[in-house]
Amino acid sequence: KNEVEQSPQNLTAQEGEFITINCSYSVGISALHWLQQHPGGGIVSLFMLSSGKKKHGRLIATINIQEKHSSLHITASHPRDSAVYICAVMVTSGSRLTFGEGTQLTVNP
Amino acid sequence: EAGVVQSPRYKIIEKKQPVAFWCNPISGHNTLYWYLQNLGQGPELLIRYENEEAVDDSQLPKDRFSAERLKGVDSTLKIQPAELGDSAVYLCASSPDSYYNEQFFGPGTRLTVL
Repeated sequence: KNEVEQSPQNLTAQEGEFITINCSYSVGISALHWLQQHPGGGIVSLFMLSSGKKKHGRLIATINIQEKHSSLHITASHPRDSAVYICAVMVTSGSRLTFGEGTQLTVNP
Repeated sequence: EAGVVQSPRYKIIEKKQPVAFWCNPISGHNTLYWYLQNLGQGPELLIRYENEEAVDDSQLPKDRFSAERLKGVDSTLKIQPAELGDSAVYLCASSPDSYYNEQFFGPGTRLTVL
C-alpha cells in the first residue's frame, strides 16, 4: 500500500463544476503539498499545508491532521484547470517528499 | 528570479547509448533533488544533494546511473548505457535547505529510449 493515496485517478468535469480531489496518507508528516503538472512535465506548487485551510483564487486546500486526509477543491472549473494534480507529503522522520500518483483532471468547455 | 533550469527538455536516443541531463537550481539553494517520473505516476527520488554531497542516493541504480554536483551548484545526471525502461521524465528540484518544506521544480527532461 502506498504511503500517499489519491482519488480519483481520473476526473472529467464540465466547465463551471465544483471539483474535489482527495488525498490520504499513512505516515506522520510535517507538511502536505498540492502540486499541479501540465503536459510537458513542469510541476508548480499550489499549496503547502500543515493544518487548517488555505485559499488562492478558485483553489481551496484543506487538511485534517487527525484523519490524515487532505482535499483540493476547484470552484467554477475552467478548461485551463486541466492538468495532473499531485499530493505530496514531507515525512516528519526525514527530508524526503513522498508523492501520490496524481489525479488527471480534464475540464471540458 | 529565475527558476530551476533543466536541459535538454527532450531527448531521444537508442538503447545502449549514454545520455546526460543538466540542472541549474535556483541561486542560493543548497539542496538539489533529481526525480524520475514514469507515465501516470508520481515522481520518485533518485538522489538528493546538500551542497556538493550526495546525502541520499539509496534509490539511484548505481550500475548505470551516476550524478555529480561539482562546486555545489549545477548538477548532471547520467545514464550509461540507457535501457528501454529508462524512458521517463527526469525532474530536478531545489530548496534553500533540507529543512525547508517546499521544493521548486524544473520543467523536466523527457527521455525516450528506442
